[in-house]
Amino acid sequence: SQTIHQWPATLVQPVGSPLSLECTVEGTSNPNLYWYRQAAGRGLQLLFYSVGIGQISSEVPQNLSASRPQDRQFILSSKKLLLSDSGFYLCAWSSGTNNEQFFGPGTRLTVL
Amino acid sequence: GENVEQHPSTLSVQEGDSAVIKCTYSDSASNYFPWYKQELGKRPQLIIDIRSNVGEKKDQRIAVTLNKTAKHFSLHITETQPEDSAVYFCAASINNAGNMLTFGGGTRLMVKP
Repeated sequence: SQTIHQWPATLVQPVGSPLSLECTVEGTSNPNLYWYRQAAGRGLQLLFYSVGIGQISSEVPQNLSASRPQDRQFILSSKKLLLSDSGFYLCAWSSGTNNEQFFGPGTRLTVL
Repeated sequence: GENVEQHPSTLSVQEGDSAVIKCTYSDSASNYFPWYKQELGKRPQLIIDIRSNVGEKKDQRIAVTLNKTAKHFSLHITETQPEDSAVYFCAASINNAGNMLTFGGGTRLMVKP
């Protein structure tokens, strides 16, 4: 069966510091991968998605970037965090042939 | 692009009553409509979905209906229990290369014992 991992689970960072969040999927190949952000008490905002290695599409312009160095690895990065980057970051995957998306456990980021 | 509206934003029901959450979508090409349940501090969990070739789907106490003509779909929970309390999100998707989901704003369901 498929499993999706995210780390770290929680992170507290100062404003202006860099960020790297990692997501990996097991048990499937060539998945579609997605990064979402959820502000406290709010809905899900799609940040990036990827249909293959090295292929990244950005949905919202911001100071974040994403990379997919391996088939089942998706990384979210920032060079300088802003206070507004605080939130719950969720990675998700789908098979590419099926619309069903499954979420990872998330990373709770607090920028101080 | 697709726009999904979800109502109500909050819903309070008595244990044992039914709950209904409604969503409308804008893009007639959308053909996949999932519902997610998110408990406090946890990840969204897919609880039921429906595709455009079906008008209704049921799984125990949960059912989803789809009206393609009116472009709306609804989640029905019968015999609600306190553990049904959570935020529920609807979404819509077109079956394309990215299979991206557009989410509604969420409904906070509170089931009072």
